Amino acid sequence: DTAVSQTPKYLVTQMGNDKSIKCEQNLGHDTMYWYKQDSKKFLKIMFSYNNKELIINETVPNRFSPKSPDKAHLNLHINSLELGDSAVYFCASSPPGANVLTFGAGSRLTVL
Amino acid sequence: GENVEQHPSTLSVQEGDSAVIKCTYSDSASNYFPWYKQELGKGPQLIIDIRSNVGEKKDQRIAVTLNKTAKHFSLHITETQPEDSAVYFCAASETSYDKVIFGPGTSLSVIP
Repeated sequence: DTAVSQTPKYLVTQMGNDKSIKCEQNLGHDTMYWYKQDSKKFLKIMFSYNNKELIINETVPNRFSPKSPDKAHLNLHINSLELGDSAVYFCASSPPGANVLTFGAGSRLTVL
Repeated sequence: GENVEQHPSTLSVQEGDSAVIKCTYSDSASNYFPWYKQELGKGPQLIIDIRSNVGEKKDQRIAVTLNKTAKHFSLHITETQPEDSAVYFCAASETSYDKVIFGPGTSLSVIP
């Protein structure tokens, strides 16, 4: 069983489109995250939710909107996609009281 | 905010030799320092971590050292094997609920 699963794994779309990436964890963790990894492999945190509550919101354009329907799910919706949004997006989760991260396999977004 | 630097950006070693990756951090309040390994096409995976009340920690062929005064920490891999080839990230975090800030990564190649 995959601990943190993301869908889709690959996403190719045109500029201006809207797309979503879904994430689910079956570890019973309370906190979930979205990280962005650019072409130089740099990992940057975008958002963090703890028990469905937004606790970290980095300087991310308003076009990015996370949603956590329950503590096992964290989705990322991106409006009006731009070329610079092309990256690998990683979902992660961590247990209560510790920020030991378990990452998903990533979702590679390519904006043409 | 926290800033983590990492050197070298690329490292190539012969199988059986040792590899050392060094990191520095800027926020003296940081007290948790994990190391992640990212294999090609996968998400980062925690391999070892150290907290500020400990100066050194070892797990089989990998060890981490921490110098809080100098704000340095290092990863040591002994008897390297081809399967150690990956990108390694150091990271720092202030508290259990604070965001984990990653270094830029080191691409390690172990030559058989």
